[in-house]
Amino acid sequence: GENVEQHPSTLSVQEGDSAVIKCTYSDSASNYFPWYKQELGKRPQLIIDIRSNVGEKKDQRIAVTLNKTAKHFSLHITETQPEDSAVYFCAASKRSSASKIIFGSGTRLSIRP
Amino acid sequence: DTEVTQTPKHLVMGMTNKKSLKCEQHMGHRAMYWYKQKAKKPPELMFVYSYEKLSINESVPSRFSPECPNSSLLNLHLHALQPEDSALYLCASSRTGGTSGYEQYFGPGTRLTVT
Repeated sequence: GENVEQHPSTLSVQEGDSAVIKCTYSDSASNYFPWYKQELGKRPQLIIDIRSNVGEKKDQRIAVTLNKTAKHFSLHITETQPEDSAVYFCAASKRSSASKIIFGSGTRLSIRP
Repeated sequence: DTEVTQTPKHLVMGMTNKKSLKCEQHMGHRAMYWYKQKAKKPPELMFVYSYEKLSINESVPSRFSPECPNSSLLNLHLHALQPEDSALYLCASSRTGGTSGYEQYFGPGTRLTVT
């Protein structure tokens, strides 16, 4: 079955610097890659997603890149702010009657003031 | 309305109790999901309903019994749980069909404690 690996497990960056989280997936049929942010005690919320027909997608300070050949995708957050502190999960999914998504293990991002 | 709601927010139950968790969405989504999340771990898929039919059961113990009464509602019936079942239970919904997966919208979860 699909496996998604995520690194690093924890990440601490200075406010204003960039943060990068990397994921790899195993199932070449996966074609949808969402990123979820989960603040302490709250629900996971989608922050950006990318489909396999696109190599890069950007939304303000957040960008995601996808390398289908290498089965890698990455989240880039620029100009980090204290409110970016949270756990981030990457995930992978493919076409099916219901979108089963496989989550990575999560990255705890801390922004130092 | 892009919200998934869940009740109750918190639940404490003994190992001999029977209780139910409820989830509701009005986005017209025909896929609904139950996840279990332990602290510092990703959500772990339990069940998937597609068009009100159970399509995926991730080998979940029978003490968890899902039910989808209609396209907007999803229940999880709990019976004879163990302390290790204490966790955050998340409901989610999504569109179905198409050529790739879709965003899942998560509810706020029910924090379950089994004593």
